[in-house]
Amino acid sequence: GAGVSQSPRYKVAKRGQDVALRCDPISGHVSLFWYQQALGQGPEFLTYFQNEAQLDKSGLPSDRFFAERPEGSVSTLKIQRTQQEDSAVYLCASSPGGGGSYNEQFFGPGTRLTVL
Amino acid sequence: AQSVAQPEDQVNVAEGNPLTVKCTYSVSGNPYLFWYVQYPNRGLQFLLKYITGDNLVKGSYGFEAEFNKSQTSFHLKKPSALVSDSALYFCAVRPIYSSASKIIFGSGTRLSIRP
Repeated sequence: GAGVSQSPRYKVAKRGQDVALRCDPISGHVSLFWYQQALGQGPEFLTYFQNEAQLDKSGLPSDRFFAERPEGSVSTLKIQRTQQEDSAVYLCASSPGGGGSYNEQFFGPGTRLTVL
Repeated sequence: AQSVAQPEDQVNVAEGNPLTVKCTYSVSGNPYLFWYVQYPNRGLQFLLKYITGDNLVKGSYGFEAEFNKSQTSFHLKKPSALVSDSALYFCAVRPIYSSASKIIFGSGTRLSIRP
């Protein structure tokens, strides 16, 4: 398909486990974003990539969160030693422009993470 | 601090009536403004954006929004609501001079259209 895809769609983890969430952006999109959306809230910014460079990681809540986009396409968000407060929907979005552009972002369906 | 406020958690409208979903923002400098819609179990979908120029912008599904600089508002409107418009709506803002493309979302407004 032509849209942003994310996998898995649902993930249940035991507290303390590590998880990896994958995002496949729209082909050719320069910018890639990760957001965290808690129940009943708006998405909150986690991190931003322009191609393979992580230009902004100011939203990552702790050093347990790590994101990469090594070849400037697929991205992985990794959460180490998951905690219950990490339970949320993790959204990935891509955009054709680089930093400073006014392009809208195209969102994937999200990965719903539940930490027990 | 930069922020977006959506003062109504829920808006209820009868089908065929006009609807308004409110949004106000606070940023340094001029903003880019966006509206997104979220249907159950689906990602956010872009509706419309304000960049510059005409204060009234038109978007998908018959929605429009009016940028009001003096009131720092960007309310979403539609002249005649449809039951299928029922969804969660998010307003978002990005300062024009921000070096990153990060956008800030409001907390969302649930729109419910009754037949």
